[in-house]
Amino acid sequence: GQNIDQPTEMTATEGAIVQINCTYQTSGFNGLFWYQQHAGEAPTFLSYNVLDGLEEKGRFSSFLSRSKGYSYLLLKELQMKDSASYLCAGTDSNYQLIWGAGTKLIIKP
Amino acid sequence: ETGVTQTPRHLVMGMTNKKSLKCEQHLGHNAMYWYKQSAKKPLELMFVYSLEERVENNSVPSRFSPECPNSSHLFLHLHTLQPEDSALYLCASSQSRDRNTGELFFGEGSRLTVL
Repeated sequence: GQNIDQPTEMTATEGAIVQINCTYQTSGFNGLFWYQQHAGEAPTFLSYNVLDGLEEKGRFSSFLSRSKGYSYLLLKELQMKDSASYLCAGTDSNYQLIWGAGTKLIIKP
Repeated sequence: ETGVTQTPRHLVMGMTNKKSLKCEQHLGHNAMYWYKQSAKKPLELMFVYSLEERVENNSVPSRFSPECPNSSHLFLHLHTLQPEDSALYLCASSQSRDRNTGELFFGEGSRLTVL
């Protein structure tokens, strides 16, 4: 079956670095998305990885290893506003989006 | 502001009521989606419309009825719902139905409570 796994909840300290992992099993694979969703708000696009490696966008970076079925989202210099849920979603061979349940990130002062 | 607007933001209804959720996108996109989001569960795709034609219906009960009168508007008509249908209903749009070409733009959702 198709599956996306990510931790349910993580806690980190303001100013620190946190890595949110995501593993996937899909029928074929075309790429992996990360979305951010603040409580009561719309999910918003963060990144899309197709090729292996690390892509950096300011304080946020996303990594993909196709051979390992693994991705992570790296958040640096954490700010209180980074408290949110982070959704991982893979696209299978039919470009169907397979979603994880999301990781709730709590930032403490 | 994502360019996708949903109304109402909150809705409480009894099991015998009929209500509708509305979604409007101002992005010129050709594909629109309804998702169900329940606590601690993955997003569940309900319906996909591409160029106003329904292209996916993921085994959703008939008490949910979508309508897409034009490429900018999407409705979800609700009738005789069950308490387990209580959830956040998210509307999204994308440039085209081929989701590999770009990200989804989501509305803020309609929080539905069925009593």
